[in-house]
Amino acid sequence: NAGVTQTPKFRILKIGQSMTLQCTQDMNHNYMYWYRQDPGMGLKLIYYSVGAGITDKGEVPNGYNVSRSTTEDFPLRLELAAPSQTSVYFCASIRQGGYGYTFGSGTRLTVV
Amino acid sequence: GQQLNQSPQSMFIQEGEDVSMNCTSSSIFNTWLWYKQDPGEGPVLLIALYKAGELTSNGRLTAQFGITRKDSFLNISASIPSDVGIYFCAGNGGSQGNLIFGKGTKLSVKP
Repeated sequence: NAGVTQTPKFRILKIGQSMTLQCTQDMNHNYMYWYRQDPGMGLKLIYYSVGAGITDKGEVPNGYNVSRSTTEDFPLRLELAAPSQTSVYFCASIRQGGYGYTFGSGTRLTVV
Repeated sequence: GQQLNQSPQSMFIQEGEDVSMNCTSSSIFNTWLWYKQDPGEGPVLLIALYKAGELTSNGRLTAQFGITRKDSFLNISASIPSDVGIYFCAGNGGSQGNLIFGKGTKLSVKP
């Protein structure tokens, strides 16, 4: 039981490049989330999904896209990377009716 | 939107000392959660509180859900070096019950 797995752990992008941050969970959780963490700012919700085929915007969705074709996977796409997207990204999941998310170990992204 | 005010922002303490941190909100939350984040890792759930007034312990950690449902505190007794990290409070008050996080309290412990 691996929990929530995020790849890659680190990545450096040039301005304007695109990439996909991968997130997979093996707990059959309905709900999945993407957060970004900036120093001293806590965790900000980017996008979330309540089940396969359903996604919705969080607090800071601009510049990102998501899809949820399966229960297990919830990739986050950056189309035109900008320096403001330099951050640590966390994926999380929870079963319906549960309390407390299970987080992945994060992806540290630097845009230069 | 809803916000959580977490304090203090950082703490530098001596090993063996007790620690206290708290979160307040202008909105009511149905659940309060406390997480710890070790360097380079994702947050891990420490304690979950479900009812106003509830006091819950987990080893050296004690947390309470405020009676007004607008605040919570976390105490750590007899701190040890492995307590170092960032502690986050969170409440499920967002749309669809999404968690809203405080900005964190960074704890440093001197041996």
